Amino acid sequence: GDSVTQMEGPVTLSEEACLTINCTYTATGYPSLFWYVQYPGEGLQLLLKATKADDKGSNKGFEATYRKETTSFHLEKGSVQVSDSAVYFCALYNFNKFYFGSGTKLNVKP
Amino acid sequence: NAGVTQTPKFQVLKTGQSMTLQCAQDMNHEYMSWYRQDPGMGLRLIHYSVGAGITDQGEVPNGYNVSRSTTEDFPLRLLSAAPSQTSVYFCASSYKVGGSYNEQFFGPGTRLTVL
Repeated sequence: GDSVTQMEGPVTLSEEACLTINCTYTATGYPSLFWYVQYPGEGLQLLLKATKADDKGSNKGFEATYRKETTSFHLEKGSVQVSDSAVYFCALYNFNKFYFGSGTKLNVKP
Repeated sequence: NAGVTQTPKFQVLKTGQSMTLQCAQDMNHEYMSWYRQDPGMGLRLIHYSVGAGITDQGEVPNGYNVSRSTTEDFPLRLLSAAPSQTSVYFCASSYKVGGSYNEQFFGPGTRLTVL
């Protein structure tokens, strides 16, 4: 069945460091891919999305490119801030179902 | 718009008790879904619905029932609670773009403990 695998956390970075969170997927057909962010005590919020191969999603300095050849959708940011500290989830949509990765906790230190 | 609302925020049950988690959305979204979030396991789909009167199972449906009598409401029923159902439950809704469902809007969650 369809599934999402993302790197384990937690990831601890200093402010202004570069971020990459790896995400790979297994799916039939042509899924849509998403990154969601969850702040403590809250529900998930959409961060960015890509609906077809080679699309790049971007928002708030975060980017991810839908790579069908490597079945990946890695999340990147060039310079993280303390306010980026949260849990990040990679997800895919296919045939009426959404599948989520296990989440990666990011801690950014001043 | 209130978005997606869930009640209650917290609940403690004893093994064998039943309860209903409420979920409502005011965005006229066709798609609604329930997830449970457990440490290290991300979100797992319990049940989903693509419209009033239509429901289907997700990855972990056992022990849970749902119904969708209106577009707005999608309650989740635990018929006989078990400690393994201790989790945080999220409801979400979505709409179609270009023939497929897209961004999901999540409620604030219900933290359930079963003793």
